[in-house]
Amino acid sequence: DIVMTQSPDSLAVSLGERATINCKSSQSVLYSSNNANYLAWYQQKPGQPPKLLFYWASARESAVPDRFSAGGSGTDFTLIISSLQTEDVATYYCQQYYDLPYTFGQGTKLEIK
Amino acid sequence: EVQLVEAGGGLVQPGGSLRLSCTASGFTFSSHAMAWVRQAPGKGLEWVSAISGGGATTFYADSVRGRFTISRDNSRNTLYLQMNSLRAEDTAVYYCARDFVVVTTVQGWFDPWGRGTLVTVSS
Repeated sequence: DIVMTQSPDSLAVSLGERATINCKSSQSVLYSSNNANYLAWYQQKPGQPPKLLFYWASARESAVPDRFSAGGSGTDFTLIISSLQTEDVATYYCQQYYDLPYTFGQGTKLEIK
Repeated sequence: EVQLVEAGGGLVQPGGSLRLSCTASGFTFSSHAMAWVRQAPGKGLEWVSAISGGGATTFYADSVRGRFTISRDNSRNTLYLQMNSLRAEDTAVYYCARDFVVVTTVQGWFDPWGRGTLVTVSS
């Protein structure tokens, strides 16, 4: 199985400041034939189901604010919130869909400092 | 509006069975693969199973293979998860999720998700 490891496990950032979440896969999730990274990011607010933020590592889902960005390739990926807002308090998960079983990172809990 | 509504969760004894359902609306159900993802209390997300749009192809996590069966009834816009031989470690909120892409083969990234149904396995 591909193991997804996120860092940090938790993060406290001041309002308006930048938050960076990292995700590392135990093997590459870059498919060479189409040069696509099979990596998604989700946001889960307390008491709610997860919501898709990004797919193909950097393709933003519609309605996701542009203060959110994502990137990376191969085994190393990053989710960035450029200016933290109160509504961004949530747990964030990366997920690989390169191979079965699909696997998620352990989550990064983002809070306001 | 796209909506997924799970039902069927509850308290069951170890070794027992439950059948979860997920009723979909707001999109062409048969055009999307579907999945079940679970979340143990206070824990992260674990993919459980997926099924193609037509229902012919299914996939399972090792932790549930042989005990759980995913199926769908496209005439009823409903996804199912039959869970047998339940264990304490199966205790979780079970989410139904739609494959994002409009293709019938399983792609593996999910949106939207239902609100989930809680399954508790305990004596």
